[in-house]
Amino acid sequence: KQEVTQIPAALSVPEGENLVLNCSFTDSAIYNLQWFRQDPGKGLTSLLLIQSSQREQTSGRLNASLDKSSGRSTLYIAASQPGDSATYLCAVDKAGNQFYFGTGTSLTVIP
Amino acid sequence: GAVVSQHPSWVICKSGTSVKIECRSLDFQATTMFWYRQFPKQSLMLMATSNEGSKATYEQGVEKDKFLINHASLTLSTLTVTSAHPEDSSFYICSAKKRGAPETQYFGPGTRLLVL
Repeated sequence: KQEVTQIPAALSVPEGENLVLNCSFTDSAIYNLQWFRQDPGKGLTSLLLIQSSQREQTSGRLNASLDKSSGRSTLYIAASQPGDSATYLCAVDKAGNQFYFGTGTSLTVIP
Repeated sequence: GAVVSQHPSWVICKSGTSVKIECRSLDFQATTMFWYRQFPKQSLMLMATSNEGSKATYEQGVEKDKFLINHASLTLSTLTVTSAHPEDSSFYICSAKKRGAPETQYFGPGTRLLVL
């Protein structure tokens, strides 16, 4: 069964810092890897989707990379802002079926 | 496009009552919908997969008689928590696969259930 792990579980940084969130998965036979943002008590906001044939995706200050063979993905956030404070979840799926979610990284950006 | 809504967004009920949560794909046809549950401080876990017009497939440990799923149309799936108990209090999120673009899923905003 696919297991998804995210490190660190929590992260606190001063505003303006660049940071990296890590995600690892045990079964490399994935179809998509997706990064989400979840604000307290709210649903999921999709940030970046990387298909298995891709190595990275970028959106604004966010950059996600995927190394399928090693079962790893990173989410890079440049010039962090207090509004980036949230829980970040990574999830993988197999051929468009169910997603397996990591436990998330809780990010706090201190003004 | 590709918006998924859930109703209600919040529900509080007494123990023993049943609660119905709706998941709708607003601007596309959803061939498959997934229901996830998230307990506090934990990640999302899949409860069941539903395909339009057929019975839902439940994950191990999820009681199908307690969590009734009906995917009656290509735009609507419902999750009914029957005889809810406090331990059913959770955040329930659905996602939908779009007909013609099955490689991606679109998530609803979630429904928070509190059983007193």
